[in-house]
Amino acid sequence: KNEVEQSPQNLTAQEGEFITINCSYSVGISALHWLQQHPGGGIVSLFMLSSGKKKHGRLIATINIQEKHSSLHITASHPRDSAVYICAVEKTSYDKVIFGPGTSLSVIP
Amino acid sequence: EPEVTQTPSHQVTQMGQEVILRCVPISNHLYFYWYRQILGQKVEFLVSFYNNEISEKSEIFDDQFSVERPDGSNFTLKIRSTKLEDSAMYFCASSTTGVVPFFGAGTRLSVL
Repeated sequence: KNEVEQSPQNLTAQEGEFITINCSYSVGISALHWLQQHPGGGIVSLFMLSSGKKKHGRLIATINIQEKHSSLHITASHPRDSAVYICAVEKTSYDKVIFGPGTSLSVIP
Repeated sequence: EPEVTQTPSHQVTQMGQEVILRCVPISNHLYFYWYRQILGQKVEFLVSFYNNEISEKSEIFDDQFSVERPDGSNFTLKIRSTKLEDSAMYFCASSTTGVVPFFGAGTRLSVL
């Protein structure tokens, strides 16, 4: 079983839709990251969370430490949001980061 | 299950020394990447590599850095003269199509 899982694996949405991407993990963590990867490989780190909720523009990230679950929400989605979104966790032991498999998002005009 | 392998898991070096971080990507992958994460900070893209050449690099990837695919299996990141601020976790990744890369576990570089 993967220590970090994401759902859905692929997501297609119409422009303007509210989007949710989920991440669940099975290990103790010190922080969780949401990353965005555009074609070409460049990764942009969107959020680093250790508790609660963070908001940046149309993006909102939440984490529930007790349930070992995080969500990334995109409000009023736009075609430029099309990318792969990756959840990554920093383990509390062994100083290791584990990346989720990614969610490929396509937003259609 | 195929995986990206990075060695060593932890590298300690003196400032000014050269280091080479090694990665074995998944065998049929064509795109290769290096990222780094300074402790407590965001993951940063360094470079992507395709068809035996750099396809994209960030401003972090200056003349002190170089990448090489010396044979059919290894992908290396060299830092010519390490600085204290190079201390970070370095991640290698590979993919077949340029999306959804598989990441290695990382190499923690400590520059003293």
